Amino acid sequence: AQSVTQLDSQVPVFEEAPVELRCNYSSSVSVYLFWYVQYPNQGLQLLLKYLSGSTLVKGINGFEAEFNKSQTSFHLRKPSVHISDTAEYFCAVISMNTGFQKLVFGTGTRLLVSP
Amino acid sequence: EAGVTQSPTHLIKTRGQQATLRCSPISGHTSVYWYQQALGLGLQFLLWYDEGEERNRGNFPPRFSGRQFPNYSSELNVNALELEDSALYLCATTGGTSPTDTQYFGPGTRLTVL
Repeated sequence: AQSVTQLDSQVPVFEEAPVELRCNYSSSVSVYLFWYVQYPNQGLQLLLKYLSGSTLVKGINGFEAEFNKSQTSFHLRKPSVHISDTAEYFCAVISMNTGFQKLVFGTGTRLLVSP
Repeated sequence: EAGVTQSPTHLIKTRGQQATLRCSPISGHTSVYWYQQALGLGLQFLLWYDEGEERNRGNFPPRFSGRQFPNYSSELNVNALELEDSALYLCATTGGTSPTDTQYFGPGTRLTVL
């Protein structure tokens, strides 16, 4: 079975500073990788996903993530954050051999951007 | 185009009662996924419906059930409510069943069990 670890439960950062949210996964088979964002009192919105090809994936709102197979990581980065980026961020995987879209989520990282 | 909608926004029940949550997919989407987001437990897969059939379920007891209607909307029923069922219930829909299809989430129903 696969699992996702987001080591940082909360990441405080100042506005316009860079940020990296860490995600590591474990799986005995290949996976698809996703980052979702959840704003307060809202559902989840897809930021980006890695299916195949280039290991650097660009998403919405200036976010990007890099798939590192040897380190089983998929860290999310943004070079300069805004106050509006304050939200909960979830890393998730789908196992390629599951046969359907069962997203397995990490526990989330709360990004707190202050002025 | 309207997104995924869920109703009600909030639901308050007491232990032992039944709760019914509803999800309407994006037009053209035929698959519906249900997730539970409970405090301290994170997001967990509950159920998957496609073309009117339950295709898979997560590690939840049988008192969690649901159905999908001919218009592809879905209902999640939770019987014999327990305090630990208090959570945000999210549904997500896709236009296909490929693992690469993006899941679009609704805003959720917050269920509080007293």
